[in-house]
Amino acid sequence: SQKIEQNSEALNIQEGKTATLTCNYTNYSPAYLQWYRQDPGRGPVFLLLIRENEKEKRKERLKVTFDTTLKQSLFHITASQPADSATYLCALDPFSGGYNKLIFGAGTRLAVHP
Amino acid sequence: DSGVTQTPKHLITATGQRVTLRCSPRSGDLSVYWYQQSLDQGLQFLIQYYNGEERAKGNILERFSAQQFPDLHSELNLSSLELGDSALYFCASSVLGQGASPLHFGNGTRLTVT
Repeated sequence: SQKIEQNSEALNIQEGKTATLTCNYTNYSPAYLQWYRQDPGRGPVFLLLIRENEKEKRKERLKVTFDTTLKQSLFHITASQPADSATYLCALDPFSGGYNKLIFGAGTRLAVHP
Repeated sequence: DSGVTQTPKHLITATGQRVTLRCSPRSGDLSVYWYQQSLDQGLQFLIQYYNGEERAKGNILERFSAQQFPDLHSELNLSSLELGDSALYFCASSVLGQGASPLHFGNGTRLTVT
């Protein structure tokens, strides 16, 4: 069956360290993958999009990689801050260039401690 | 602020009732999406509209229906409500209805069915 898997356990790290979150998928061949941040009681906020022909994408302290062979995306936050504490969701369009019907993973909660 | 407006913010109603959730997309966005988020299910795609027409459907129950009006706002109608329908309902919009278009989410309507 088709699945998107993210670490269900919360990730606790110390301020200043790099946080690495994982998104694995099975039985999909997405043309792109997106990452969102969600704070409690709020809607998800778009962070980064990476296409299948891009190995890596960066935006300020954020970096995303996309390995279509491993069917995995890694999301890194460098020099993490307590304000980065949130749930991070990965999403993909299972129809690769279709109607942008994004399917979301369950998310990984990140807690950055001072 | 994503520019997507959802009303009401909270809704408490009884089983068997019918409610309407409303969404105004970001200015210029033609596509509207509805998602349901419950504690044990994560974000579940319900339905997508593009410029007034239904584009894609997820696991939307027959008791639920939606539409997008000529001014591009959208409404999600939930009828014969059950306790299990209690959830956060998010609306999102994007410029296009296809391809790698990031979604812009509202802050949701929290529905409680008692």
